[in-house]
Amino acid sequence: GQQVMQIPQYQHVQEGEDFTTYCNSSTTLSNIQWYKQRPGGHPVFLIQLVKSGEVKKQKRLTFQFGEAKKNSSLHITATQTTDVGTYFCAGLPNRNSGAGSYQLTFGKGTKLSVIP
Amino acid sequence: NAGVMQNPRHLVRRRGQEARLRCSPMKGHSHVYWYRQLPEEGLKFMVYLQKENIIDESGMPKERFSAEFPKEGPSILRIQQVVRGDSAAYFCASSTRTQGPVTNEKLFFGSGTQLSVL
Repeated sequence: GQQVMQIPQYQHVQEGEDFTTYCNSSTTLSNIQWYKQRPGGHPVFLIQLVKSGEVKKQKRLTFQFGEAKKNSSLHITATQTTDVGTYFCAGLPNRNSGAGSYQLTFGKGTKLSVIP
Repeated sequence: NAGVMQNPRHLVRRRGQEARLRCSPMKGHSHVYWYRQLPEEGLKFMVYLQKENIIDESGMPKERFSAEFPKEGPSILRIQQVVRGDSAAYFCASSTRTQGPVTNEKLFFGSGTQLSVL
């Protein structure tokens, strides 16, 4: 079945430093979504990427979708303490990929800690 | 403008008991998903339902687990004869997806039910 790998698992940064998390799928994706989960909270949708090579920005967050539609990244510029949480990517397999299930598959997430 | 409502927030059961988790989707949403999350893990898809229909239960264990989304009332995830390994956070999500069984829209998650099996 489809697998979505995310690295790193943990990241500790000083406030003001940049942060990047990477996501790789074992199968070609139809689209990829990113979610943020604060400690003790529930996942909250951030963005969806659909097109090959797509880049989207939300203030200090930059999201990229790879040309082959199998990988993605989230980059945060100048982190703040409010960025603390776990960032998940979630991939929807392409119908032709042969994946067993056509539901969103989540990575294990990258847990971001920001030291003030 | 209520979001996805899940109850209870915390549920404690002894081994062998039954656990029933409830989820009311956002107003206007007719698609419900259940995910399980273990500590330091991602969310694992369990089941996708529409009203009175199970669309995809490929992530659901074959035994002891069942889900329903009746015409009236919330969606229910039922776990019979719970074991310690069932301890996890169970999240429900809803969406407005309208085209077939393919997810192409964002999910709105509830606050989850933390199940603890003693």
